[in-house]
Amino acid sequence: AQSVTQLDSQVPVFEEAPVELRCNYSSSVSVYLFWYVQYPNQGLQLLLKYLSGSTLVESINGFEAEFNKSQTSFHLRKPSVHISDTAEYFCAVSHRGRAAGNKLTFGGGTRVLVKP
Amino acid sequence: KAGVTQTPRYLIKTRGQQVTLSCSPISGHRSVSWYQQTPGQGLQFLFEYFSETQRNKGNFPGRFSGRQFSNSRSEMNVSTLELGDSALYLCASRSGLAGESETQYFGPGTRLLVL
Repeated sequence: AQSVTQLDSQVPVFEEAPVELRCNYSSSVSVYLFWYVQYPNQGLQLLLKYLSGSTLVESINGFEAEFNKSQTSFHLRKPSVHISDTAEYFCAVSHRGRAAGNKLTFGGGTRVLVKP
Repeated sequence: KAGVTQTPRYLIKTRGQQVTLSCSPISGHRSVSWYQQTPGQGLQFLFEYFSETQRNKGNFPGRFSGRQFSNSRSEMNVSTLELGDSALYLCASRSGLAGESETQYFGPGTRLLVL
């Protein structure tokens, strides 16, 4: 079994300030890691992912996340947020290996509210 | 490529009725997964279909079922609707090919309201 914990349910932040969204996971096997973003009344958009290789991954809009295997974490950071980053962010994991299927297990989400 | 499409986008039903939701994956993708999103339970996995076969199933009652067609389009059916089935139902597709096979791409969802 696997589980994902997002430590903050809401994060208010001022525009142009940095933000960090924390994600910890528990799994008995190796995992793939994802961050998705959901804007109001929309589906989930893939923000970034860690499948293998470099433990620091970046998105095209300035977000980055670092996979820390020893701490079983995959925290998301952005050095300077914009109003348009207001959304809910979900951390998710799936098991490596086709035998396990491709089920995503999600954290509870973190609502980011960027204030002017 | 066009993204994942889901129809209808909004749906209102009454208790006891049944509902069918449709999902068209990204062209060339062979896997479709379904998720339920509610304020109380968050995002929960329903099932995954790959090449017309159910590969994985979440912890939902038998009232929730699905299928996948030869063109990879998928439908999800909920029978005997209950108030608690009100939710956003999300469909996700992945290629099933080596390399990018583990990344799921989501549709806009179908919002179901059960009265």
